[in-house]
Amino acid sequence: GAVVSQHPSRVICKSGTSVKIECRSLDFQATTMFWYRQFPKQSLMLMATSNEGSKATYEQGVEKDKFLINHASLTLSTLTVTSAHPEDSSFYICSARFGVQETQYFGPGTRLLVL
Amino acid sequence: QKEVEQDPGPLSVPEGAIVSLNCTYSNSAFQYFMWYRQYSRKGPELLMYTYSSGNKEDGRFTAQVDKSSKYISLFIRDSQPSDSATYLCAMSYSGGYQKVTFGTGTKLQVIP
Repeated sequence: GAVVSQHPSRVICKSGTSVKIECRSLDFQATTMFWYRQFPKQSLMLMATSNEGSKATYEQGVEKDKFLINHASLTLSTLTVTSAHPEDSSFYICSARFGVQETQYFGPGTRLLVL
Repeated sequence: QKEVEQDPGPLSVPEGAIVSLNCTYSNSAFQYFMWYRQYSRKGPELLMYTYSSGNKEDGRFTAQVDKSSKYISLFIRDSQPSDSATYLCAMSYSGGYQKVTFGTGTKLQVIP
């Protein structure tokens, strides 16, 4: 299957700082990338959908000014958690899709802990 | 009512057993159906992908879709301890840039 990487895999930061998470599709051009967060023992919650070269579409209840998404190329999307607080601590997972296929390929996830 | 319902488990089975995982859904517009496997602290991995009704087999895994009942299943034959993970069903509407809706996942434990 297609390979999607995320960096970093784990980050610990102080409250008030900003954290950037990168998502890369390694062997295909991702026309669409998705960002999810997952709390323990819960399913994936879609945060936003981004298409290369255009603004991200955020799900209801997700603050776009807090979770900045940039999809600058067909292989890279970044999620920046601005002014992170302890309640932002979670598992953030990106996925990528090629063309109009329905299948998404997921990255390994980034565990964020805000102290 | 959630769009996709999935029993969270946990489901414990002995090694070698046949495992049946299921999801029900409410929206008849769903056309594409997927199963993902997620190990603890890892991202989901695509296992099976089917379009509309019918069966699809891949090794020890068989996916079934019954659109008339709005019910999908994943069967795992000869289950192995390495199959222990959380299994997520997912589905979406017609092709294009449509959002995928995930079930909450079923945690499976295969006991040696």
